[in-house]
Amino acid sequence: KAGVTQTPRYLIKTRGQQVTLSCSPISGHRSVSWYQQTPGQGLQFLFEYFSETQRNKGNFPGRFSGRQFSNSRSEMNVSTLELGDSALYLCASNRLGANTGELFFGEGSRLTVL
Amino acid sequence: AQTVTQSQPEMSVQEAETVTLSCTYDTSENNYYLFWYKQPPSRQMILVIRQEAYKQQNATENRFSVNFQKAAKSFSLKISDSQLGDTAMYFCAFMNRRSGGGADGLTFGKGTHLIIQP
Repeated sequence: KAGVTQTPRYLIKTRGQQVTLSCSPISGHRSVSWYQQTPGQGLQFLFEYFSETQRNKGNFPGRFSGRQFSNSRSEMNVSTLELGDSALYLCASNRLGANTGELFFGEGSRLTVL
Repeated sequence: AQTVTQSQPEMSVQEAETVTLSCTYDTSENNYYLFWYKQPPSRQMILVIRQEAYKQQNATENRFSVNFQKAAKSFSLKISDSQLGDTAMYFCAFMNRRSGGGADGLTFGKGTHLIIQP
């Protein structure tokens, strides 16, 4: 069974640009969560999608958005990039929903903002 | 809001030794999960062990076990017979369960970098 796949793995953007990251969950998993990992702030919850609906959201500005498609694949978008958005963005999936806590993580997309 | 504190930024032990990683948390909720996740260098994070707050029995998974002290809000991870492959960042995490189903996202501690020396 394939694991959680995130693309791209690495990318470099400049301030003011926008970026879209993609996540393909494990087959059969309907919940996708996104986390931001930085050396300073650690791991922080961005949002969770379940059956194409955003079910939960962390404390991030509106520049961070996401969506989920009918095949459970998810994308997150960050607009008007800032230097502080440089981070490893982790996607995690779960079959029934993130409320069991047993999340399966991808390897992440490492974003560098210059 | 919940907070999770891991007071040991880095630990180093010899292979085959037993090591305990500390974690404390703060919450006013009563229905929640606690987790330990492992993030090896340049590899994805994986779940090591999970504890449901209403269960008094400490969770165990092979060489990994926890000491869950609900009143003290403490949740330590014990790794027995440590192996080189246990070298990784270990994150303690908390998840609040809502009464109507669903849950908040995971709240992570800052992590403990565990190094197993040969």
